[in-house]
Amino acid sequence: GQQVMQIPQYQHVQEGEDFTTYCNSSTTLSNIQWYKQRPGGHPVFLIQLVKSGEVKKQKRLTFQFGEAKKNSSLHITATQTTDVGTYFCAGRLQLNNAGNMLTFGGGTRLMVKP
Amino acid sequence: NAGVMQNPRHLVRRRGQEARLRCSPMKGHSHVYWYRQLPEEGLKFMVYLQKENIIDESGMPKERFSAEFPKEGPSILRIQQVVRGDSAAYFCASSPSTGPIDGYTFGSGTRLTVV
Repeated sequence: GQQVMQIPQYQHVQEGEDFTTYCNSSTTLSNIQWYKQRPGGHPVFLIQLVKSGEVKKQKRLTFQFGEAKKNSSLHITATQTTDVGTYFCAGRLQLNNAGNMLTFGGGTRLMVKP
Repeated sequence: NAGVMQNPRHLVRRRGQEARLRCSPMKGHSHVYWYRQLPEEGLKFMVYLQKENIIDESGMPKERFSAEFPKEGPSILRIQQVVRGDSAAYFCASSPSTGPIDGYTFGSGTRLTVV
């Protein structure tokens, strides 16, 4: 079945270093979304990418959607301790009757050392 | 305008008891999605409901688990005869029935602990 994979599973960085998480789908996605979950919290929506090759920025965060709409990445420049949390990608299948369900990747847990 | 409301926030059950988790969607939303998150893992889709209808329950275990979303009142996820492996955080999200779908708004979740 449909799978969305994320790597790495964990990442430790020194504050100020950059961070990237990668998301890959076994099938084409109609869109890709990214969420952040702080420890003990709930997932919070960050952004949605829809178009092939799309790139969006939110301050220090850069999101990309691959040309084939099967992969995506999130890059954080100069991490801060407030970036700590788990970042999930989530995709919606490109099917006629896929409904509104999202398939989530396993997440990348980011830890930032001050 | 309240967001997605889940209760209880924390629930402790002994093995063999029943757990009932409630989710009230955002105002005007008629679609509800339940996800389960095991410790240190991602979110796994369980069930997608509209008012009085189960649209997709492909992620829900066939035994002991059931879900409903009545015409009035919250959506209920019910786990009968809980086992230790049911210990997890259960999140629900909601969306409107029509129009472009953006990101989910999740509730704060119910953390179920089975002792």
